[in-house]
Amino acid sequence: ETGVTQSPTHLIKTRGQQVTLRCSSQSGHNTVSWYQQALGQGPQFIFQYYREEENGRGNFPPRFSGLQFPNYSSELNVNALELDDSALYLCASSSHGTLPGGNYGYTFGSGTRLTVV
Amino acid sequence: DAKTTQPPSMDCAEGRAANLPCNHSTISGNEYVYWYRQIHSQGPQYIIHGLKNNETNEMASLIITEDRKSSTLILPHATLRDTAVYYCIVRVAYTGFQKLVFGTGTRLLVSP
Repeated sequence: ETGVTQSPTHLIKTRGQQVTLRCSSQSGHNTVSWYQQALGQGPQFIFQYYREEENGRGNFPPRFSGLQFPNYSSELNVNALELDDSALYLCASSSHGTLPGGNYGYTFGSGTRLTVV
Repeated sequence: DAKTTQPPSMDCAEGRAANLPCNHSTISGNEYVYWYRQIHSQGPQYIIHGLKNNETNEMASLIITEDRKSSTLILPHATLRDTAVYYCIVRVAYTGFQKLVFGTGTRLLVSP
């Protein structure tokens, strides 16, 4: 069973640029969520993708967007980068639907460290 | 969203039990409590989760109070490799999706 893979591991961008981060979900998982973790803080929910559509979103502006592909992998796109977008971006995969005991197992990747200068 | 409150840091001697508390007084009846840990800014690692009853697995035990307003994660025999930031999390459900609401975490330092 493969885990969640994210690429790239580190990235440096200039303010105003655009960035694309990638995530391959764990085998058997069909749902992908993205989280932003600023330095010294807990991760914050950005959005979730299921069946190639965004089905839930946190308090993030529209310049944060995403895609999910038929193989359940996903991309996070951020336009017009700002200095405050510097953070660790985490992808978590899970299996949509009710499992025994209501267990939604979330597997996180190691993240992409984005630095905006 | 339900909010969790944790002490910012705790110390534990190697081989002793580590008891990490968490308050989640605004939790709703169908919201699960999850615990994850994070080492050196890697991705969070699943530890355990529960709804009402106490839970135990090979890593830890989770004790949830009867009113569900607080919980305690117990690492029965802490090792140096258990040094990490531990997050108490509430899984919040909306129509069609769920999300994990993280607190600020407890930095656990296990010392020899």
